[in-house]
Amino acid sequence: NAGVTQTPKFRVLKTGQSMTLLCAQDMNHEYMYWYRQDPGMGLRLIHYSVGEGTTAKGEVPDGYNVSRLKKQNFLLGLESAAPSQTSVYFCASSYSGGKNEQFFGPGTRLTVL
Amino acid sequence: DAKTTQPTSMDCAEGRAANLPCNHSTISGNEYVYWYRQIHSQGPQYIIHGLKNNETNEMASLIITEDRKSSTLILPHATLRDTAVYYCIVRSPLEAGNMLTFGGGTRLMVKP
Repeated sequence: NAGVTQTPKFRVLKTGQSMTLLCAQDMNHEYMYWYRQDPGMGLRLIHYSVGEGTTAKGEVPDGYNVSRLKKQNFLLGLESAAPSQTSVYFCASSYSGGKNEQFFGPGTRLTVL
Repeated sequence: DAKTTQPTSMDCAEGRAANLPCNHSTISGNEYVYWYRQIHSQGPQYIIHGLKNNETNEMASLIITEDRKSSTLILPHATLRDTAVYYCIVRSPLEAGNMLTFGGGTRLMVKP
């Protein structure tokens, strides 16, 4: 099993450009998450999904949109990138809610100039 | 989520036990204590979790005080590869979305 994979690993954008980050998991997990991590800080939740076709806002959702058209994929979109969105983005998945642990991907390092 | 307090950094000698404390004095009855770690530039990795009993797995042991207001993560024989930021998180399994709220964590440096 590959676990949780993220595409791309690195990206540089100019202010105002758009892009989509892809997260894929092969563990048949119901729940998926997008976090961002700024330098020297802990992770903050952007959006999450508790199942195919459902999404919900996390702690810092502004400026991002998400979609969960397939159970194994969770997409994070930036419609008009801003320098404040320069960060490392981590995707995670879990079997369900409750006590289940989250499995994290390797991260995408995004720089917005 | 109840807030947690952890030391900013700690050192440990290789081969020795690393004891990482966490204070969660406002924890409520249905909240679990979780520990994750993040090795430099990698995604966080789950270590262990518990409610009130001590727990042990292949990675670590978790000791929770009887009043549940604090806990200690123990890495019995720390290696250089255990150098990482360790996050103590408390959350209820009843919360929607199974969200994790990460604080600043403890940066553990294992030294030869």
